[in-house]
Amino acid sequence: DAKTTQPNSMESNEEEPVHLPCNHSTISGTDYIHWYRQLPSQGPEYVIHGLTSNVNNRMASLAIAEDRKSSTLILHRATLRDAAVYYCILRDGYGGSQGNLIFGKGTKLSVKP
Amino acid sequence: GAGVSQTPSNKVTEKGKYVELRCDPISGHTALYWYRQSLGQGPEFLIYFQGTGAADDSGLPNDRFFAVRPEGSVSTLKIQRTERGDSAVYLCASSLMSRDSTDTQYFGPGTRLTVL
Repeated sequence: DAKTTQPNSMESNEEEPVHLPCNHSTISGTDYIHWYRQLPSQGPEYVIHGLTSNVNNRMASLAIAEDRKSSTLILHRATLRDAAVYYCILRDGYGGSQGNLIFGKGTKLSVKP
Repeated sequence: GAGVSQTPSNKVTEKGKYVELRCDPISGHTALYWYRQSLGQGPEFLIYFQGTGAADDSGLPNDRFFAVRPEGSVSTLKIQRTERGDSAVYLCASSLMSRDSTDTQYFGPGTRLTVL
């Protein structure tokens, strides 16, 4: 799996949108972009994933650059419960994305009331 | 529904002792993963099971670490002759092994191991 680069930390105000960037300049054509987050004292949880098109679900939106070398996880209205470490992970989707996840250090998001 | 559970939630042991950490995956999930997380770091892969067999154990740091999944459900991570450097949170995850792009992994809350 290719490497990703994320800022170490970000701050947001409650009720405001948050844009969490991820660079993956060496992404291959079959790599999917996955996001997981880890709330304090919990295991990671899946947030969203995509390949080329932007994706939306109940938790977040994922905006993928046209060249796929970067992506942005968007939380539309941050809440205090969104304070977590967010991990951007590439997974080879050829034949199905299986096997272990390769985590970096992620971005620690702080949300101020 | 029940998620992934891990026991114990905390384990304190002395250097040189043997420990076992247990993981109960989500029912029906054929894939099971063990990760280790040190303070301030992301989880680090240890071993991955498909059914009863270890599909990839390349992340086990040395031969003191061993994991089993005899019936394809519950798994036990075993650490012999524990060292202070083994102190970490040990995370277990399971997935359906679907062959689409998702294969979402569901994580347990982890076992915090402290070696004194």
